[in-house]
Amino acid sequence: DAGVIQSPRHEVTEMGQEVTLRCKPISGHDYLFWYRQTMMRGLELLIYFNNNVPIDDSGMPEDRFSAKMPNASFSTLKIQPSEPRDSAVYFCASSFPGRYGYTFGSGTRLTVV
Amino acid sequence: GEDVEQSLFLSVREGDSSVINCTYTDSSSTYLYWYKQEPGAGLQLLTYIFSNMDMKQDQRLTVLLNKKDKHLSLRIADTQTGDSAIYFCAESRRDSSASKIIFGSGTRLSIRP
Repeated sequence: DAGVIQSPRHEVTEMGQEVTLRCKPISGHDYLFWYRQTMMRGLELLIYFNNNVPIDDSGMPEDRFSAKMPNASFSTLKIQPSEPRDSAVYFCASSFPGRYGYTFGSGTRLTVV
Repeated sequence: GEDVEQSLFLSVREGDSSVINCTYTDSSSTYLYWYKQEPGAGLQLLTYIFSNMDMKQDQRLTVLLNKKDKHLSLRIADTQTGDSAIYFCAESRRDSSASKIIFGSGTRLSIRP
């Protein structure tokens, strides 16, 4: 099992550009979560999916952020247009519900200049 | 509320025991977790405890749960330099359709020689 796979590992982009972050969850996990981590705010839940359906997107900061899960093995988080304050590490995690907790990917470090 | 609170920093001498504390607010939490994040990596599940347990031991790790006081602790015996990381306390609760995990802000453990 390769774990949760995120790409790219690092992304540097200019303000105003579109950024797409990708995630492949663990096969068989039916929950997928997108988190953002910054020094100031810590770990923030942005959105999560169950069986490819968005359940709670209340953590998505603005309309510039959107997330999709077209199938059970792939999800994207898109920022359009990007701003310097979006600079953070973005984590994807997947799970079965309940006691086993989440398995996190290695994250994408986004820098918007 | 949804708060899970931890102190931000802990410094321990190598070979001593580390005790990281956490308080949570939701008395209906079912599972409580400790995650470890090493530099440049995602969060890794260290251990978890079911809310009807008082203690769980796993090699050098001991988790204590005081449900009355909503207090969780992680003790690391014989702390080593490889234990340097950020440790996140987390609780799971059910919302309308899923189990959601709420993370604390993390405690940065540093080891001094």
